[in-house]
Amino acid sequence: GENVEQHPSTLSVQEGDSAVIKCTYSDSASNYFPWYKQELGKRPQLIIDIRSNVGEKKDQRIAVTLNKTAKHFSLHITETQPEDSAVYFCAVGGTGGFKTIFGAGTRLFVKA
Amino acid sequence: DGGITQSPKYLFRKEGQNVTLSCEQNLNHDAMYWYRQDPGQGLRLIYYSQIVNDFQKGDIAEGYSVSREKKESFPLTVTSAQKNPTAFYLCASSPSQGGRNEQFFGPGTRLTVL
Repeated sequence: GENVEQHPSTLSVQEGDSAVIKCTYSDSASNYFPWYKQELGKRPQLIIDIRSNVGEKKDQRIAVTLNKTAKHFSLHITETQPEDSAVYFCAVGGTGGFKTIFGAGTRLFVKA
Repeated sequence: DGGITQSPKYLFRKEGQNVTLSCEQNLNHDAMYWYRQDPGQGLRLIYYSQIVNDFQKGDIAEGYSVSREKKESFPLTVTSAQKNPTAFYLCASSPSQGGRNEQFFGPGTRLTVL
C-alpha cells in the first residue's frame, strides 16, 4: 500500500522567513496531493492541493511543488507570520479513489 | 465549519465499556471517514464509507465498528476489544472519492479511557 513520509517533524523559523516541508510517497499511481493545516485544538483544514498533471501551484504566500518522477512534493510558505504556527499534514490520494494517506505531520513554530 | 459535526467533544469511558461517537453532515456528501489521531502519528484511517449501507475497513479497524444507515450519519463504536482507545477521533466527509478530493473534517471527539 501507499506509504507517506513527511519531514521535518518540527520546524522553527523566524517571522518573515520561509518554511519548507517535504513529503515522499511510494505509489506512482497516486495523483492527488493535498496539504492540511491543523491549529491547536482545531480540525484539519485544506490549505492547498495539487494534482499530478500540474508541477506547481501557488496561492498567495503558500505554494506546493510536485515531482512525480522522484515521488515527492513540498509545501512552501513565504513571509511566515505567527498565525502560520500549526501542524501541517501532507496527504496522498488517488489510488482507487477512496483513501487518503496522511503524513505524520510537521509542527511549525513561527517566532515573532 | 458547521457542515459536519461530532459529539460529544469529550468522552470518558471505563475499561470494558463500548462507546459510540456521533458524526453528522449536512453537506450531502457521499463519502465519510473516521480517523484516529495520536501525537506524532498523523491521521490513521479506521473505517470509510462511500455510500449508504456500505463501508470498508481502513488501516486500523480492529476494535472498532461502524454503520451507515443514513447518508448524513456515520457513527463509530469503540468496543472493549480496542486495546488502547484513548485518542482524538476525527470524522470527515467528501463529495465523492475522498482520495481524489478535499475532505472536510468535524471538530473531533477526545476519548479518554479511565
